[in-house]
Amino acid sequence: QITLKESGPTLVKPTQTLTLTCTFSGFSLNTRAVGVGWIRQPPGKALEWLALIYGNNDERYSPSLKTRLTITKDTSKNHVVLTMTNMDPVDTATYYCAHNTYETGAFDFWGQGTLVTVSS
Amino acid sequence: QSVLTQPPSVSGAPGQRVTISCTGSSSNIGADYDVHWYQQLPGTAPKLLIYGNRNRPSGVPDRFSGSKSGTSASLAITGLQAEDEADYYCQSYDSSLSGFHVFGTGTKVTVL
Repeated sequence: QITLKESGPTLVKPTQTLTLTCTFSGFSLNTRAVGVGWIRQPPGKALEWLALIYGNNDERYSPSLKTRLTITKDTSKNHVVLTMTNMDPVDTATYYCAHNTYETGAFDFWGQGTLVTVSS
Repeated sequence: QSVLTQPPSVSGAPGQRVTISCTGSSSNIGADYDVHWYQQLPGTAPKLLIYGNRNRPSGVPDRFSGSKSGTSASLAITGLQAEDEADYYCQSYDSSLSGFHVFGTGTKVTVL
């Protein structure tokens, strides 16, 4: 059974760096066939893909946010960490992590999401 | 701004058939990358509904079907039910720049 859960601060100040952790179980992130991605959704708005890391350490980033994002994995802890620098109120959103299968490209299992508010 | 365009809303009466379009370009859907569809019920995380253009994960009713042609894809819901009222998103891969995943703009389905 695959599960994922996001954790991190619920409130960050403008210009600060956000660090979110995705803790997963039910699979190993050690082959190219499997990845974990981050997706966000501002209140009332659409989903936006942010970043993805495969088990072979291949990293992919949203072109519009690439300069602010870093995704890493800790296979021993079953963690994937996303950092986003220079946070702004427009970054207020629910942040999801999700399991991705390289063969299909689909995000087939999702965490419950965590709401991050950016405000001074 | 998403490169996959969906209609903001569609509606239908119970039992009717509705379709949602997802329009891309030659660097994503038209480049033969697969399209996937997600259903998001209010206040919940998205759920994979269709993967690989037309495949349903276990447990997804066969009322939901997907198709792809050229630079567009479609999701059809037949025998619309009240529980189908939700937001629906398409997703694919784009080969421009360094390559990236992309979600559609989203469609709200309302059951009249």
